[in-house]
Amino acid sequence: GAVVSQHPSWVICKSGTSVKIECRSLDFQATTMFWYRQFPKQSLMLMATSNEGSKATYEQGVEKDKFLINHASLTLSTLTVTSAHPEDSSFYICSASRETGYTFGSGTRLTVV
Amino acid sequence: GENVEQHPSTLSVQEGDSAVIKCTYSDSASNYFPWYKQELGKRPQLIIDIRSNVGEKKDQRIAVTLNKTAKHFSLHITETQPEDSAVYFCAARRGGGATNKLIFGTGTLLAVQP
Repeated sequence: GAVVSQHPSWVICKSGTSVKIECRSLDFQATTMFWYRQFPKQSLMLMATSNEGSKATYEQGVEKDKFLINHASLTLSTLTVTSAHPEDSSFYICSASRETGYTFGSGTRLTVV
Repeated sequence: GENVEQHPSTLSVQEGDSAVIKCTYSDSASNYFPWYKQELGKRPQLIIDIRSNVGEKKDQRIAVTLNKTAKHFSLHITETQPEDSAVYFCAARRGGGATNKLIFGTGTLLAVQP
């Protein structure tokens, strides 16, 4: 079946540094990738939608200069959290769209210290 | 934009009992309604979905019903087992296919007591 590989699965970084999260579709082409953030005991909140080769569309309240999304190919999308702060600590998860539905990555647990 | 409300936030049942989780949505253009099960620290897993041209769908112990007029849909789990314990999310999507975003409900923590 369709697989989306997300890396890293967890990361700890210092305040002020940047962290890049990658999502790769292994056996299909993902023209659209969704990025979600999930705080403990909360729902998945959509951050942005990215389409291959174009700029991402950010949801209201999500800072595009802080959460940089690149979708340069049909199999790779990246989310970079710039100048991370403790309040950015969360579970980040990508979801690739396919004709038959959505395939989620395994998620990245980000802890900013 | 779409808003999806989900109730209850927590649900505790005895093994073998049924569990029902309800969601309402606001966007009348929504036409696809999946349900996901998420275990702690894991990715959401699709358990069942329904499209707006169908009123009910069943898969073994799991069923989903949709009332388009009232804009609500429900997940029904029968003969619950301890392994059904997890967080369940409903979601809604506008027409246009999977390039459109999913909006998730607030989640229900289901605990099945042995």
